[in-house]
Amino acid sequence: DTAVSQTPKYLVTQMGNDKSIKCEQNLGHDTMYWYKQDSKKFLKIMFSYNNKELIINETVPNRFSPKSPDKAHLNLHINSLELGDSAVYFCASSQAVGASYEQYFGPGTRLTVT
Amino acid sequence: GNSVTQMEGPVTLSEEAFLTINCTYTATGYPSLFWYVQYPGEGLQLLLKATKADDKGSNKGFEATYRKETTSFHLEKGSVQVSDSAVYFCALSDLSTNAGKSTFGDGTTLTVKP
Repeated sequence: DTAVSQTPKYLVTQMGNDKSIKCEQNLGHDTMYWYKQDSKKFLKIMFSYNNKELIINETVPNRFSPKSPDKAHLNLHINSLELGDSAVYFCASSQAVGASYEQYFGPGTRLTVT
Repeated sequence: GNSVTQMEGPVTLSEEAFLTINCTYTATGYPSLFWYVQYPGEGLQLLLKATKADDKGSNKGFEATYRKETTSFHLEKGSVQVSDSAVYFCALSDLSTNAGKSTFGDGTTLTVKP
């Protein structure tokens, strides 16, 4: 049973399009995250939600809009895709907001913008 | 702000060699420290963690000790296997800054050759 799942696993699209990535966790966690991993494997946090409320909003273009319909789901919508958006996007969850809680990552969505 | 500095990779070892991946950190509060591992094509998964000074985290033959005096959390394994080939990330989480946002190092790629 997958703890953190993401769909789709691969996404190939053209510049200017709008796309969404969905994430679900079945761990009963309160906190969810979106990360971007570039081709050099650098990991950058984008957003975090705790019980459906946005708590971390890093410097990310406003073309990226997260939405959390309930605490088990966190979706990421991207408008007007650009070449630089090509990356692997990871969803993660943790039990709560707290320094000692580890994060559980999804398998990633590889986004390629052509 | 918080930061994590990891030993630069890539690291290439022969099977059964001793592994050390250095990690040092800067934090404003009292962070928890983590090592995550990312196998090819997968998301990150927790390898081990330590939540206070002098704690030792261990898992699958890997160990790391939280050293407050040297602000370090070096990862070690006595005898690596080909299956340990992966990217390793050191991370910290500190509640005193920005909702407990985790800070990740840049990752160290390990390749183990038979």
